[in-house]
Amino acid sequence: EAGVAQSPRYKIIEKRQSVAFWCNPISGHATLYWYQQILGQGPKLLIQFQNNGVVDDSQLPKDRFSAERLKGVDSTLKIQPAKLEDSAVYLCASSLDRLADTGELFFGEGSRLTVL
Amino acid sequence: GIQVEQSPPDLILQEGANSTLRCNFSDSVNNLQWFHQNPWGQLINLFYIPSGTKQNGRLSATTVATERYSLLYISSSQTTDSGVYFCAVWAGKSTFGDGTTLTVKP
Repeated sequence: EAGVAQSPRYKIIEKRQSVAFWCNPISGHATLYWYQQILGQGPKLLIQFQNNGVVDDSQLPKDRFSAERLKGVDSTLKIQPAKLEDSAVYLCASSLDRLADTGELFFGEGSRLTVL
Repeated sequence: GIQVEQSPPDLILQEGANSTLRCNFSDSVNNLQWFHQNPWGQLINLFYIPSGTKQNGRLSATTVATERYSLLYISSSQTTDSGVYFCAVWAGKSTFGDGTTLTVKP
């Protein structure tokens, strides 16, 4: 069974530029998560989708971050314009359980963003 | 929101030693997982353990939900066990601890 796929693995941009990350979850997984992990910290939830609806985006900086999950499968996370403090690893995860709060989470390899 | 504290923050062991990592959480949770973040940054599932005890080879975990803590045991540690160990809990939404960084020396 294929795991969670993410791309690109690495991205370097100048501040005020834009960037987009893509995630394809494990087939059949209803719940998809985007996390931000800053060096030395644990992952922080940015947004959680249940199929193609948003369950929680309370920690998403909506003035610059956006995310969508069309057709309830793959998802895109966009940052525009980027700031220096956005340098982090962006992790995508998925879960089979439709209750979202009780399913086992599986992570992709992450997308490492450096903002100069 | 729920608070998750992991201890110790750093742990250095000689190969072959045993260790116990702890995760305390401040409220009732519906789900708890332990992860190992390898040197390349990927989070690898170790245990999905909202309650009870599980074992997988040299690793085992116990969650006592009523007392709001979970323990991860690593026996006969190997250099490949090095990395950061995270626990994550779910109570409406997910919260990760800041991790325990384990270094196993040959």
